[in-house]
Amino acid sequence: DARVTQTPRHKVTEMGQEVTMRCQPILGHNTVFWYRQTMMQGLELLAYFRNRAPLDDSGMPKDRFSAEMPDATLATLKIQPSEPRDSAVYFCASGLVSPPTSGGYNEQFFGPGTRLTVL
Amino acid sequence: EDKVVQSPLSLVVHEGDTVTLNCSYEVTNFRSLLWYKQEKKAPTFLFMLTSSGIEKKSGRLSSILDKKELFSILNITATQTGDSAVYLCAVDNTGFQKLVFGTGTRLLVSP
Repeated sequence: DARVTQTPRHKVTEMGQEVTMRCQPILGHNTVFWYRQTMMQGLELLAYFRNRAPLDDSGMPKDRFSAEMPDATLATLKIQPSEPRDSAVYFCASGLVSPPTSGGYNEQFFGPGTRLTVL
Repeated sequence: EDKVVQSPLSLVVHEGDTVTLNCSYEVTNFRSLLWYKQEKKAPTFLFMLTSSGIEKKSGRLSSILDKKELFSILNITATQTGDSAVYLCAVDNTGFQKLVFGTGTRLLVSP
């Protein structure tokens, strides 16, 4: 049963600490998305990768957030230094996306999320 | 700025009722509209709509899109307690699944 996995599932840290969240996409998927979900803002796209290359990280605060995909089985999202306003659930999703002209829809599969609390 | 607005924000109904959830959007380049259901954890996909007036149906759930008026509705008939969840609407404005989400409608179905 293929699924997206994320670690850790929960993280409590103090302001100023570095936080690293990891995601293992479904094998064979070519696109990985990072989302943040809060009560106030809902689900927001932070960054996404196609074939491990970053395509768009315009949703991400650049000064403290960074996203990488060191290999096809691992995507990471880092926050350094963390702040209380970063407290949220961070979701990773993966999908097999082909160009719009090829037709059809390729579903994004979401991981279980990392619940981050920054004190 | 692209925007997706859902209403109502929350809703409480009794089992057996029919509910209609609304999603309106303003995006620069519409490709498709998607509905997700989020229970305690991750969102799960329900429907994708690209053409106006064509109803998508799955069991007691159905959805339709109006591209002229820029909205979609999600209907749930004969609601059950298991339908309690947050329903999210999202618009793909690139064709590559770069999704803009609404804040969701929280549905509670009471026994």
